Amino acid sequence: EVQLVESGGGLVQPGRSVRLACTASGFTLGDYTLSWVRQAPGKGLEWVGFLRRKGYGGTTEYAASVKGRFTVSRDDSKGIAYLQMNSQKTEDTAVYYCTRTVEGVLDYYMDVWGKGTTVTVSS
Amino acid sequence: SYEVTQPPSVSVSPGQTASITCSGDNLGEKFSYWYQQKPGQSPVLVIYEDTKRPSGIPERFSGSSSGNTATLTISGTQAMDEADYYCQAWDSSLGVFGTGTKVTVL
Repeated sequence: EVQLVESGGGLVQPGRSVRLACTASGFTLGDYTLSWVRQAPGKGLEWVGFLRRKGYGGTTEYAASVKGRFTVSRDDSKGIAYLQMNSQKTEDTAVYYCTRTVEGVLDYYMDVWGKGTTVTVSS
Repeated sequence: SYEVTQPPSVSVSPGQTASITCSGDNLGEKFSYWYQQKPGQSPVLVIYEDTKRPSGIPERFSGSSSGNTATLTISGTQAMDEADYYCQAWDSSLGVFGTGTKVTVL
């Protein structure tokens, strides 16, 4: 079964750091771009950023709201992707989803989603 | 930054057609993607590249795009289709989600 499982969420103090992990099973993570999407409590979806697969340059893109603070990385040999979140703000409180991201005709689509992990930023 | 806008809510009777719109500058020049999210669940891709349906998505879901508007249509709406629906586009390789539309099946 194709699956993504997020882990690493919890309570973090403002200004501190946390690293989320996304473990893939049922497919080869290295064959895909990997995105992170978040959803604040009671709010809509917000794209956070992605890391292209090595065959597409292995480069990253980030939303303006997290650029410079968040970093997406991956260990394809282990089938795990990461989201390093530094200088946490209360507005980063959300459920964080990792998604398998497919290169389409012009851009990308997110065809497999994990169940999400919750990050709460509070003192 | 690029923005896409959706109506907050749409109501539909069982068996009828629901149409959800998504508007953005020159949206018709980009591909639109649609995701369904039921309460307490992760989003699911229902339409990609404006009109394509992933394997396992019922034929009652269809998509179209023209001008500045993309539309998700649910034909013969069922109670199980009650959910939040999000459109999404890419602008200079940055992902942008719409504000979301809650579909209520009355």
